[in-house]
Amino acid sequence: GESVGLHLPTLSVQEGDNSIINCAYSNSASDYFIWYKQESGKGPQFIIDIRSNMDKRQGQRVTVLLNKTVKHLSLQIAATQPGDSAVYFCAENNGANNLFFGTGTRLTVIP
Amino acid sequence: DTEVTQTPKHLVMGMTNKKSLKCEQHMGHRAMYWYKQKAKKPPELMFVYSYEKLSINESVPSRFSPECPNSSLLNLHLHALQPEDSALYLCASSQEAGGRLEETQYFGPGTRLLVL
Repeated sequence: GESVGLHLPTLSVQEGDNSIINCAYSNSASDYFIWYKQESGKGPQFIIDIRSNMDKRQGQRVTVLLNKTVKHLSLQIAATQPGDSAVYFCAENNGANNLFFGTGTRLTVIP
Repeated sequence: DTEVTQTPKHLVMGMTNKKSLKCEQHMGHRAMYWYKQKAKKPPELMFVYSYEKLSINESVPSRFSPECPNSSLLNLHLHALQPEDSALYLCASSQEAGGRLEETQYFGPGTRLLVL
């Protein structure tokens, strides 16, 4: 079966520092990946996506890196703010538009 | 507009009750999804509707019954639930479903369900 996992379940960073959240996936045929942010009591919120024909994609304060060789995905958040505190999920699209979510990383920003 | 709405926000029901969860989107999306999320766990897919037809049922017990009245609405009918069914139920939608299309799914805020 497919599995999408995260290396660290929790991450604490100082406000203003950069955050890096990592994710490993096992299905080498997966060609689309999404990062979601989920705040307490809310549904997952789309942050950024990347297709397998790309290595890097940048958004506003966020960058996603994809390393297909080692099947690794990361989310970088620049100048982390208290509002960034949430659980972050990577999700893998298996081509039939079924999303498989990783276990999640809880990011805590220390003021 | 990438909004998916869900009602109610919270629901408490007994094991003999019948209730329904509702989901709505006006983005013209043709695929809609139900997910179940237990505390501190990732969302797990339950059902997928594509063009108002059920395309995927991830071996969900029959006490959960989905319905797609039209392309904008998705319901989840609940009957004879068990306490272990207590969870956050999330609805999502995307432009399309199936094939090799890569479509972002947009999630609603969820309905937090407690079964007593």
